[in-house]
Amino acid sequence: GEDVEQSLFLSVREGDSSVINCTYTDSSSTYLYWYKQEPGAGLQLLTYIFSNMDMKQDQRLTVLLNKKDKHLSLRIADTQTGDSAIYFCAESILGGADGLTFGKGTHLIIQP
Amino acid sequence: KAGVTQTPRYLIKTRGQQVTLSCSPISGHRSVSWYQQTPGQGLQFLFEYFSETQRNKGNFPGRFSGRQFSNSRSEMNVSTLELGDSALYLCASSLGGQGVGTTDTQYFGPGTRLTVL
Repeated sequence: GEDVEQSLFLSVREGDSSVINCTYTDSSSTYLYWYKQEPGAGLQLLTYIFSNMDMKQDQRLTVLLNKKDKHLSLRIADTQTGDSAIYFCAESILGGADGLTFGKGTHLIIQP
Repeated sequence: KAGVTQTPRYLIKTRGQQVTLSCSPISGHRSVSWYQQTPGQGLQFLFEYFSETQRNKGNFPGRFSGRQFSNSRSEMNVSTLELGDSALYLCASSLGGQGVGTTDTQYFGPGTRLTVL
């Protein structure tokens, strides 16, 4: 079945770059997403990438996709305390309405 | 534009009871999806409704059901509650496009926290 794997924790210093990694198993995945969840809140879509792209940049966020290795990463430049949250990687075949398959989430911890 | 709203935000029930959760999508969105979030299993897809029809379904028992109304609002029902049903239930809305090559960004609500005692 489909599976999305992420490491559970990442600790970085304020001002450094954060790189959150994700691997997935379903080669049919068409869309790959990054969501952010802050305590007590729902999920906020940060960005997504279509499987025929290698990279997508949006302000401080850079997404890299290695389709051969089924590896996705999210780089957050100049990490701030407000970036402290859980980051979820997710994949979909039909663009989302078929249900997203999520990883367990990576807790990003910012050290002052 | 108002976001996805879910009611109630918190709910406490006892085993064996049933519960109904409500979701109002973003205006103009015709698809509503439901997810269960637990510490052990993470986020799992329950089902998706589009134009009052269940179009996609996850791997949950029949105790979990839903429906969608003509105004796209959706309800989710869980019957015969079990302790393991304690979770954050998230609703997401989208325009409803489906198929390879289409984009259908899902916007999530804040969730309903269900506790089963």
